Amino acid sequence: SQKIEQNSEALNIQEGKTATLTCNYTNYSPAYLQWYRQDPGRGPVFLLLIRENEKEKRKERLKVTFDTTLKQSLFHITASQPADSATYLCALDPLGNTPLVFGKGTRLSVIA
Amino acid sequence: DGGITQSPKYLFRKEGQNVTLSCEQNLNHDAMYWYRQDPGQGLRLIYYSQIVNDFQKGDIAEGYSVSREKKESFPLTVTSAQKNPTAFYLCASSRGTGTNEKLFFGSGTQLSVL
Repeated sequence: SQKIEQNSEALNIQEGKTATLTCNYTNYSPAYLQWYRQDPGRGPVFLLLIRENEKEKRKERLKVTFDTTLKQSLFHITASQPADSATYLCALDPLGNTPLVFGKGTRLSVIA
Repeated sequence: DGGITQSPKYLFRKEGQNVTLSCEQNLNHDAMYWYRQDPGQGLRLIYYSQIVNDFQKGDIAEGYSVSREKKESFPLTVTSAQKNPTAFYLCASSRGTGTNEKLFFGSGTQLSVL
């Protein structure tokens, strides 16, 4: 069956460290993958999109990698801050031109 | 300000009652979506619409209905047939459903059963 898994439900790190979140998928061949941030009681907000032919994408303190051989995307936040505490969701388009399928998310807590 | 607006923020449903959740966007987006989010669960697709007067069922459409009479509006009705309606409902829009399209989400409606 098709699955998209974020294998850490929760992640606690100290302020200033790099947070690394993982998104794995099976039985999909997505052309791209997206990451969103969701704060409690709010809708998700788009952060980054990475295409299958891109190994890495950066935006300020955020970095995303996409390994189609491993069927995995890694999401990094460098120099993490308490304000980065939120749930981070990965999402992909399973067939191209179809609605996004989301992982369950990883709840990140950055401790001062 | 361009954006997507959901109302109400909180909604309570009595047994056997139908309730309608509102979703309006002024982004001139063609595609609109309804997702359901339960605690500890990912977002699950209820319905989506790629164009006015057309919509498709998602993975969990049973007990829900939608309409898309205007480009800006995509209301969701939770019918009495939905036996477990308590959840956080999210509406989203995008320019289309083609590749690379990111979603813009509303702030959600929390539906609870009385």
